Parts: sequence; C-alpha cells; structure tokens
Amino acid sequence: EAQVTQNPRYLITVTGKKLTVTCSQNMNHEYMSWYRQDPGLGLRQIYYSMNVEVTDKGDVPEGYKVSRKEKRNFPLILESPSPNQTSLYFCASSLSGDRGLQTQYFGPGTRLLVL
Amino acid sequence: AQKITQTQPGMFVQEKEAVTLDCTYDTSDQSYGLFWYKQPSSGEMIFLIYQGSYDEQNATEGRYSLNFQKARKSANLVISASQLGDSAMYFCAMREAPKITGGGNKLTFGTGTQLKVEL
Repeated sequence: EAQVTQNPRYLITVTGKKLTVTCSQNMNHEYMSWYRQDPGLGLRQIYYSMNVEVTDKGDVPEGYKVSRKEKRNFPLILESPSPNQTSLYFCASSLSGDRGLQTQYFGPGTRLLVL
Repeated sequence: AQKITQTQPGMFVQEKEAVTLDCTYDTSDQSYGLFWYKQPSSGEMIFLIYQGSYDEQNATEGRYSLNFQKARKSANLVISASQLGDSAMYFCAMREAPKITGGGNKLTFGTGTQLKVEL
C-alpha cells in the first residue's frame, strides 16, 4: 500500500529537549516536504527536498533542521524546541514536477506540544 | 514572494446546493500550479483538483470545478450538489515555478475555508 508514515503521531516534550519526527514513504518519490498547520494560518512549508541530499527552506524554517540521506526518509529535527513550535506537522511526498505535485501524498500528521 | 488569500474563514451551504470557495493569489511567475485540498475533521489532507497556469480550460473533477481567472489572479473552487460529507476545511495552494538554480517547487497554502453543509 502506497503511504507516507510519520512517527510519533503525538508527542509532548519540554523546552530545549531535542526531538526528531520521522517521515518515510514507500513510493520512490523524489519530492518530500514538511509543513506545520496552525489555526488561522493554514499550512506553512518548513523545508522541502527535491531529491537525496537536496533540501531547501520553505516559508518557516527557523528552529528546524532536515536531512535527506535516503530517498525514502525525510526526518524533521528540532534541536531546541520552544513552545511556539507547538503545532500539527505534516510530511508529504510526491513525484517532482507540476503533475507530480498534484498527487502529493500526505502523512497522517504529528501533534506536537512543547511545554 | 507568492501569496494565497482565502477571505472566507467559514461558510454554510444547504445540501444539494452549489457553493463557491474563493481563492486569490499573487505571484510574479509566469508558470505556476494551483491546487485545492480538503481536510476533514479526521485531519488527513485530500487532493481535490489542479490547474496549471497555462491550462486554457478550467479544471473539473467530478463535482469539483476550478473557476480560473488568470487576469484577476483568482482560482475559486466550485462544489456542485453539496453533500454532508463535503463538510471540511478547504485549502487553496500554489506551487511556484522551478528555478534554474534548482530551487522553487515550494507550495504555499492559504489559511483555509471551513465549509459546513446543512440539511
């Protein structure tokens, strides 16, 4: 089954404690992306990756890191989480190009609470 | 920088009626893509419809159609014959053109419109 998986689905942590949210896809997609969703702000892109070892900043990259060492995985790293990073996070993947982005597969989301 | 504006935070529509969700965009790119996604209360993001900036005809997918007015920079979603299951948050999004340097392809989303379908 084609899917994007995220782990963990729910996380409560404290300020400053490094955490990683994993994202994995089994569709051999080149393009992967992280978004955060906040009430009244919609989805905002954090980072995206066009392929292995190719990453670029989205609209709100501050406080986040990513890596793309393998095609299937695109982890999101919060080196020192702060309460303003409390949000719902989505990972997504697709083939590259405009038509590919039409069928962008989203993961189920990760709800993060930073105390 | 590109921008997507959805001016309707919430809308109500009666079952079987048609509804239009507004979306305007701002970009300096000549080539771009416009998307609509549905997010039910369960949280997943569901792709609905796509319109390329060079597509001359408005996109249609079943009960969904995209009213693309390029000169006005609008890409409104029209849902015909609304159903109770259409109650959800709807997001308009735009992809910027790929850059020669290898960047681009960034997706920008609007703030969403919460649609409620009533009996």
